[in-house]
Amino acid sequence: GENVEQHPSTLSVQEGDSAVIKCTYSDSASNYFPWYKQELGKGPQLIIDIRSNVGEKKDQRIAVTLNKTAKHFSLHITETQPEDSAVYFCAASREYKLSFGAGTTVTVRA
Amino acid sequence: GAGVSQTPSNKVTEKGKYVELRCDPISGHTALYWYRQSLGQGPEFLIYFQGTGAADDSGLPNDRFFAVRPEGSVSTLKIQRTERGDSAVYLCASSPSSGGQGEQYFGPGTRLTVT
Repeated sequence: GENVEQHPSTLSVQEGDSAVIKCTYSDSASNYFPWYKQELGKGPQLIIDIRSNVGEKKDQRIAVTLNKTAKHFSLHITETQPEDSAVYFCAASREYKLSFGAGTTVTVRA
Repeated sequence: GAGVSQTPSNKVTEKGKYVELRCDPISGHTALYWYRQSLGQGPEFLIYFQGTGAADDSGLPNDRFFAVRPEGSVSTLKIQRTERGDSAVYLCASSPSSGGQGEQYFGPGTRLTVT
């Protein structure tokens, strides 16, 4: 099955700086890569996703890049704000079953 | 509009007891998923429904776990003879996609604690 690895496990950034989270996947047939944000006591919230026919996608301060050859994808958050503090999960799938990374705890220091 | 809802939000039960966890998907979503999230980890797939039928139950850990979706909307995850290792947050997600792959929207989860 699919194996997704996510790095780093924790990330502390100064407010206003950028944050980058990287994921690798094992199944070359995977073609859908969503990112979720999870706050304490809540369910994962879909923040952005990318499909394999696209190399990059941007939504305001959030962008995702995909390198299918290397089988890795990344989340970029620019101009971080305190409300960006949360656990972020990457995931990969080729049909419907999402395989998640272990998560990155992002802390934005004021 | 209303998102995915799950009840109860918390459930504490004794080892060996039976529990039912309920999921109300977003109205009109044909696909429904159950995942399990242990502390400090990402969610792990349990089962996928397309309409009323379980299209893939390969993630259910053993035969103590069972899920139904009799009318193609609300789903119930049932766990028999609970064990302490079943303690986790059980997440439900729904998707508007009828073909399988689409955005999955998660509910807040049910935190199950087996004592």
